[in-house]
Amino acid sequence: QQQVKQSPQSLIVQKGGISIINCAYENTAFDYFPWYQQFPGKGPALLIAIRPDVSEKKEGRFTISFNKSAKQFSLHIMDSQPGDSATYFCAASIEQAGTALIFGKGTTLSVSS
Amino acid sequence: GAVVSQHPSRVICKSGTSVKIECRSLDFQATTMFWYRQFPKQSLMLMATSNEGSKATYEQGVEKDKFLINHASLTLSTLTVTSAHPEDSSFYICSAQDRWGSFAFFGQGTRLTVV
Repeated sequence: QQQVKQSPQSLIVQKGGISIINCAYENTAFDYFPWYQQFPGKGPALLIAIRPDVSEKKEGRFTISFNKSAKQFSLHIMDSQPGDSATYFCAASIEQAGTALIFGKGTTLSVSS
Repeated sequence: GAVVSQHPSRVICKSGTSVKIECRSLDFQATTMFWYRQFPKQSLMLMATSNEGSKATYEQGVEKDKFLINHASLTLSTLTVTSAHPEDSSFYICSAQDRWGSFAFFGQGTRLTVV
């Protein structure tokens, strides 16, 4: 059972465009939803995270939108740059219980210059 | 910010030998560490959860006798792949959680190649 479903699998965006990656979850007990960026051969790095008490969080060019009723959350990368080309993973966990992160399958983003 | 150091970054070993991977939290006490495995172009799959001073909890399908995890201190956890085989070749990544439950801290990963 895939608890966190991520789409699309790959994404090509022109420089300056908006990249949108979507995730859906099933477990309503999840209370922590981070996004990670991973470059080849490196460990994932936290980009931005949200908790269910807010519907949107913005940090620089990165925004998470969260829809609790639909059990969905998405990452928006504004003004996408070639340096943003990487694999992005959404994840979810039950933070209060200290459970491990459950990751989506990842989205490979390519930003063309 | 908090740093998790994983070592080695790359290792090549012969089939049948054992390999130890270290994961250190450099500036915080990691009460819990998680070990993940990642195959090329795939997601991170949780292998086990280790709490300092207690036995690790392994995910279904992960052989605990093959992947030995030790979390002897609040700053160090080790993963030992015993009697490695080519199918164990993968990217192994640790994650450390502090007492406040922050998941922000991942190691750089270890590329294991078994020949």
